[in-house]
Amino acid sequence: NAGVTQTPKFQVLKTGQSMTLQCAQDMNHNSMYWYRQDPGMGLRLIYYSASEGTTDKGEVPNGYNVSRLNKREFSLRLESAAPSQTSVYFCASSGGVLAKNIQYFGAGTRLSVL
Amino acid sequence: KQEVTQIPAALSVPEGENLVLNCSFTDSAIYNLQWFRQDPGKGLTSLLLIQSSQREQTSGRLNASLDKSSGRSTLYIAASQPGDSATYLCAPLMDSNYQLIWGAGTKLIIKP
Repeated sequence: NAGVTQTPKFQVLKTGQSMTLQCAQDMNHNSMYWYRQDPGMGLRLIYYSASEGTTDKGEVPNGYNVSRLNKREFSLRLESAAPSQTSVYFCASSGGVLAKNIQYFGAGTRLSVL
Repeated sequence: KQEVTQIPAALSVPEGENLVLNCSFTDSAIYNLQWFRQDPGKGLTSLLLIQSSQREQTSGRLNASLDKSSGRSTLYIAASQPGDSATYLCAPLMDSNYQLIWGAGTKLIIKP
């Protein structure tokens, strides 16, 4: 019963370094999402993919890129990390059309950019 | 722009009490509203989903209500238990773009 799996769980980067956060789901869901969660704030949508082969910007896409590699996998890339990108990143997936159905979340990636 | 407010930000009550968590939103053009639970260091778990046409949704000791026109939802927890300790988040789904807009959450502590 894996559900949504995110790797890595923790990461420390220096300013300017790049990295890719990986996400995979085994529920045959069409839609996948990347959020960031900052202290005292609600989650904010970075990018989403309504179906395999499509991606769209969310509320805070600047500084990020995504790839929907196949139906299972949706990766988030930071090309040149900045301290403002220190956050907890969550991947989620849902069946059906976009988020009309329940979203299932991974355990998160805790990223610190020094 | 949709804004979601959850009050209180934190709540500590003794075990066994019934309690209500509040969520308000500024734009009533929503498709549904979801309540989630977040445990420390873990992801989010969906608790209840209320369609915009519904007034209530129940699951076990949890009952969520929705008053779309007034921009309010409540999560009622009956007979609280220490295992209910977590942060509770509400998120309306916008009609316009099917994106969830999140509140900052209510951190709940149930004391044994």
